[in-house]
Amino acid sequence: EVQLVESGGALVQPGGSLRLSCAASGFTFSTYWMTWVRQAPGKGLEWVANINQDGREKYYVDSVKGRFTISRDNAKNSLSLQMNSLRVEDTGVYYCAREKGSSGSAYWGQGTLVTVSS
Amino acid sequence: EIVLTQSPGTLSLSPGETATLSCRASQSVSMYLAWYQQKPGQAPRLLIYDASTRASGIPARFSGSGSGTDFTLTISSLEPEDFAVYYCQQLIHWPLMCTFGQGTKVEIK
Repeated sequence: EVQLVESGGALVQPGGSLRLSCAASGFTFSTYWMTWVRQAPGKGLEWVANINQDGREKYYVDSVKGRFTISRDNAKNSLSLQMNSLRVEDTGVYYCAREKGSSGSAYWGQGTLVTVSS
Repeated sequence: EIVLTQSPGTLSLSPGETATLSCRASQSVSMYLAWYQQKPGQAPRLLIYDASTRASGIPARFSGSGSGTDFTLTISSLEPEDFAVYYCQQLIHWPLMCTFGQGTKVEIK
């Protein structure tokens, strides 16, 4: 059974940093693109970043470029999102998901809540 | 950036009725469109990909159609568990960028 479990969400002050993790199991992690999608409270979904199988290709939504870094450790079946210079508008639930090329994401974690507030 | 506009914002229907949800793209996304269902407190669930292909385990009452800029998700004979928020997602520029529509809420009338 495919499982994705996020962790690391917390309350952080504006300008602070946070690292999210996603533990993957039930599939061959190293053969899939992975992605982070977020959802502000009461709002819609926003694609944040994705990463290819060996970690050499990474893409980001414009609003997080230069602040967020996506990475993966295939030996540990783990996906990460390092978030720096956090802003109030980064508040939301962050989901990790397994991508299937241009066919969307069929597997999602349960999400982890990031709150940026003073 | 491709913008997806979903309509209506809210759809009020009774169980057994048919729901027709629209997703319009600001430029062509060919067939690279997916639909998701999200219930409160849950992660999104993939329903449809490539505009019209049902994902694994999705009931046949869910169907997708369209290409280019205009897409439709149809839910035939609504079941109580179908009342949720539905999002479309375009993936024509995957992996560089993907965007979601703002969502359509299907609520019980």
